[in-house]
Amino acid sequence: QSALTQPASVSGSPGQTITISCTGTSSDVGAYNYVSWFQQYPGKAPKLIIFDVSNRPSGLSDRFSGSKSGNSASLTISGLQAEDEADYYCSSYTTTFTYVFGTGTTVTVL
Amino acid sequence: QLQLVESGGGVVQPGRSLRISCAASGFTFSRYAMHWVRQAPGKALEWVATIIYDGTNSLHTDSVKGRFSISRDNSKNTLYLQMNSLTSNDTAVYYCARENVGATFDCWGQGTLVSVSS
Repeated sequence: QSALTQPASVSGSPGQTITISCTGTSSDVGAYNYVSWFQQYPGKAPKLIIFDVSNRPSGLSDRFSGSKSGNSASLTISGLQAEDEADYYCSSYTTTFTYVFGTGTTVTVL
Repeated sequence: QLQLVESGGGVVQPGRSLRISCAASGFTFSRYAMHWVRQAPGKALEWVATIIYDGTNSLHTDSVKGRFSISRDNSKNTLYLQMNSLTSNDTAVYYCARENVGATFDCWGQGTLVSVSS
């Protein structure tokens, strides 16, 4: 199972909106609406920010949103803030009952 | 409150074995599937293995099949990963994670570092 493809880095100025893509195949992202997104700060554990493509865990900022089209999913961060500077990973359930993560994207707030 | 605490990591020589553990608290452990996810230094997250709520079925990623084995003891609220024939490619922080509705990982431990080196 190959890792899902994400851009290595995305940057934006405070207040801007950025989008991170996550490209898979018909055996993972395209197969189910089981795409999640995680935020990870250096040296810390990942934190769930989006599940089921577009759902946010309770209490999470609505500046984070997710979507999917075909074999690709996206995470959008609106009103970019300094605290959003972190690594972001997508993940997907697969047709072989396993899971696959993305290659990871580093978000930089300029 | 929900908590997962990994332990048992350390430095191990190539070819040797190690078992790491994950102690769960704050939720009914026996009702949830659990996972191990690892992250090599400076690299992306990699899913390693999963075990269903009662321990009767498990899956492992291809790169660890036949070497690693996930298990659980619901009486002790503890998840395990037995790692045999370790190589340098297995050097990583190992996280345990709880699976929740939506095939996602909603709770993570702080991780335990496994370093394979002679």
